[in-house]
Amino acid sequence: KNEVEQSPQNLTAQEGEFITINCSYSVGISALHWLQQHPGGGIVSLFMLSSGKKKHGRLIATINIQEKHSSLHITASHPRDSAVYICADIGRTGGGADGLTFGKGTHLIIQP
Amino acid sequence: SQTIHQWPATLVQPVGSPLSLECTVEGTSNPNLYWYRQAAGRGLQLLFYSVGIGQISSEVPQNLSASRPQDRQFILSSKKLLLSDSGFYLCAWREDRYSYGYTFGSGTRLTVV
Repeated sequence: KNEVEQSPQNLTAQEGEFITINCSYSVGISALHWLQQHPGGGIVSLFMLSSGKKKHGRLIATINIQEKHSSLHITASHPRDSAVYICADIGRTGGGADGLTFGKGTHLIIQP
Repeated sequence: SQTIHQWPATLVQPVGSPLSLECTVEGTSNPNLYWYRQAAGRGLQLLFYSVGIGQISSEVPQNLSASRPQDRQFILSSKKLLLSDSGFYLCAWREDRYSYGYTFGSGTRLTVV
């Protein structure tokens, strides 16, 4: 059964700090999604990556397929970055089912 | 362009009432469609997926059902809501089972009172 673990579960930091959120998965995958869930609940897709690194603004995502590990970095963090960040791998959920396996999310709070 | 619409964004329903959440996709045909639920303190969990009209697969037994009456329409329903049905519901699609890219709806926050 595929499992996706995120760390830390909760993270509080000061504005301007460099943020790292980690994601590990147990079953080899081909690609992984990073999502952002705002306090109101809406989901936004940040990245989908299958190798190396992707960058969008202050957000950087990396993945190491061999080590089954991905990281999401936020540079020069800002209070508006406060949200829940979720990783999801594009592998089978188990029992032959189709779909994503999600981590439980990292609750990030950036204080001014 | 390819878009996905999910509504409503929030919903408060009494116990025992029916439920209907709708998800529609634009800009693609014959997508694979998915319904996920996030209960309090837990990660998103797959509820149903569909690879075509009228084809529904269920991941977990529950008080909910899904239907796909049209190619780009995916509906999540319940005849009688339970308190435990409260949570965040998310619709998603991808072109086929070999595609990496998923597109996500904005989600529905359901509170059963």
